[in-house]
Amino acid sequence: DTGVSQDPRHKITKRGQNVTFRCDPISEHNRLYWYRQTLGQGPEFLTYFQNEAQLEKSRLLSDRFSAERPKGSFSTLEIQRTEQGDSAMYLCASSLGTYKAFFGQGTRLTVV
Amino acid sequence: AQKITQTQPGMFVQEKEAVTLDCTYDTSDPSYGLFWYKQPSSGEMIFLIYQGSYDQQNATEGRYSLNFQKARKSANLVISASQLGDSAMYFCAMREGGDFGNEKLTFGTGTRLTIIP
Repeated sequence: DTGVSQDPRHKITKRGQNVTFRCDPISEHNRLYWYRQTLGQGPEFLTYFQNEAQLEKSRLLSDRFSAERPKGSFSTLEIQRTEQGDSAMYLCASSLGTYKAFFGQGTRLTVV
Repeated sequence: AQKITQTQPGMFVQEKEAVTLDCTYDTSDPSYGLFWYKQPSSGEMIFLIYQGSYDQQNATEGRYSLNFQKARKSANLVISASQLGDSAMYFCAMREGGDFGNEKLTFGTGTRLTIIP
């Protein structure tokens, strides 16, 4: 499978716990994006990497959220002290150029 | 103001008929790109078609075409000869600023398309 891979697909956590998601982009893609999608809404942009540099962050990305992309390969998104409002689908996408981003199947987070 | 507006929350279409999904957008940037994505129940966003603001012709990709009306700020998706597998959520999205603009896509709220056999 050469598409964008996300792990885990589902995560249930208790409020206040930390969670980490992983995204493996398509291997030659230098751009990587994180989006969040809540029920009934379209995805909302969280952050963007070009290679290992995090170049853009949304105001949605509070200080409890941190994303990394070491060595410009896979990326992780960590949420500290989770809240019920963090429950959502977290989508990762990658692209080579400035359009046609390919998305993964997402990680569905449920905070109880 | 909403940057992307999709006014049809849900649509039901008979198999083999053509369907048009509406999308209007709002931007003051002369350079932008418009996208359509399909999201089946599995959750993955599948790229369908792209239209650049300076493209002279409407984009087409197989059974998908984009009816781009720049003056009306409209970018409707047309699916010809619909199939049962077309049942999914469809999202319109925009990227502003051209090749050196910001990288984020702004999505609409989507249209749920159901194809009836």
